Amino acid sequence: KQEVTQIPAALSVPEGENLVLNCSFTDSAIYNLQWFRQDPGKGLTSLLLIQSSQREQTSGRLNASLDKSSGRSTLYIAASQPGDSATYLCAVRSSWVDSNYQLIWGAGTKLIIKP
Amino acid sequence: KAGVTQTPRYLIKTRGQQVTLSCSPISGHRSVSWYQQTPGQGLQFLFEYFSETQRNKGNFPGRFSGRQFSNSRSEMNVSTLELGDSALYLCASSADRSEFFGPGTRLTVL
Repeated sequence: KQEVTQIPAALSVPEGENLVLNCSFTDSAIYNLQWFRQDPGKGLTSLLLIQSSQREQTSGRLNASLDKSSGRSTLYIAASQPGDSATYLCAVRSSWVDSNYQLIWGAGTKLIIKP
Repeated sequence: KAGVTQTPRYLIKTRGQQVTLSCSPISGHRSVSWYQQTPGQGLQFLFEYFSETQRNKGNFPGRFSGRQFSNSRSEMNVSTLELGDSALYLCASSADRSEFFGPGTRLTVL
């Protein structure tokens, strides 16, 4: 059974720092992995999607990596800004057909960027 | 392209009532999933519909049901509301197994 873990649960850093959020999963048979951002009381915004055959994806100041063999993904945020404050969620889509490719979610990392 | 829309955005009900939430997916997306999000349990998968058929179902009681119409719009219904049903209900549409979420419906049960 796939399990997704995100550490740390919360992180507070000064503005301008580069930071890394971690996501680990127990079953390497994944179809893809997606990083989302959620602002308080709002829906989820997709940040980056990495297919199982890819090693990384980049969008602006964000870079996500994927290492299936070790069951890990990282989200790197460069030059953090107060507007980056949000909860970041990692979700893994299983590649097992009998799972119907359901998304399995981590509990999220709450990020606070201090001005 | 318009994003995923959900109506209503906010809803207040009392215990025992029923509620229907609506979701319109991104044009061309045939898959719609529903999630419940609470501070204590996080994001929990309710069900997924594809081409009007329920393709996947989470571990929720039968009071939670859904359907999808021929235009891919989806509704979810919760009957006999309980206090614990207070949550943010999120709808997501997907294509090529990439999810796009709506803003959610905040349901408060009094």
